[in-house]
Amino acid sequence: DAGVIQSPRHEVTEMGQEVTLRCKPISGHNSLFWYRQTMMRGLELLIYFNNNVPIDDSGMPEDRFSAKMPNASFSTLKIQPSEPRDSAVYFCASRIGETGSQYFGPGTRLLVL
Amino acid sequence: GESVGLHLPTLSVQEGDNSIINCAYSNSASDYFIWYKQESGKGPQFIIDIRSNMDKRQGQRVTVLLNKTVKHLSLQIAATQPGDSAVYFCAENKGGSKLTFGTGTRLQVTL
Repeated sequence: DAGVIQSPRHEVTEMGQEVTLRCKPISGHNSLFWYRQTMMRGLELLIYFNNNVPIDDSGMPEDRFSAKMPNASFSTLKIQPSEPRDSAVYFCASRIGETGSQYFGPGTRLLVL
Repeated sequence: GESVGLHLPTLSVQEGDNSIINCAYSNSASDYFIWYKQESGKGPQFIIDIRSNMDKRQGQRVTVLLNKTVKHLSLQIAATQPGDSAVYFCAENKGGSKLTFGTGTRLQVTL
């Protein structure tokens, strides 16, 4: 079975550009999570969705970040405009139900120059 | 200025020995705990979980122990192998759907 799929795997962009990260959760999973991982702050939850509805976006750093989940099989995390401090690895995870283990994708490594 | 990152504690064990990785959690109301393994360049991978109504759970070569009295969680890996080298995170569910992750422990397996 395919796990969580993320694209792109690597992204290098210049400050000020728009960045869109994509995630396809595991089929049948109804909760989706976006995380950011940096050396400075570790693994941080940005936002999560349950049944395609955003439940908690308190971890989203600022208005430059937005996330959508138009259907059960697709989500995007957008940064506009991007800044060098956004450089990190961004993970998407999904889960079935409202509790239990989350299954992570391979991550998108973002570098903003 | 000088940048400061998270300092990951490191556990170094010899191949074949048992490993014990510890985690202190923060919320006495947490009811679910997970251990994840993260290899370099990959996402965290589920290893084993435990609910607060249990104090021990065993998997293949791994055992998780939960001590709610002192809010302590441990992961034991039997007969540690080079492929076990990774960063290990504990995560707690404080209620609702969110997991809170610890800072991680790096396990280095020496030959």
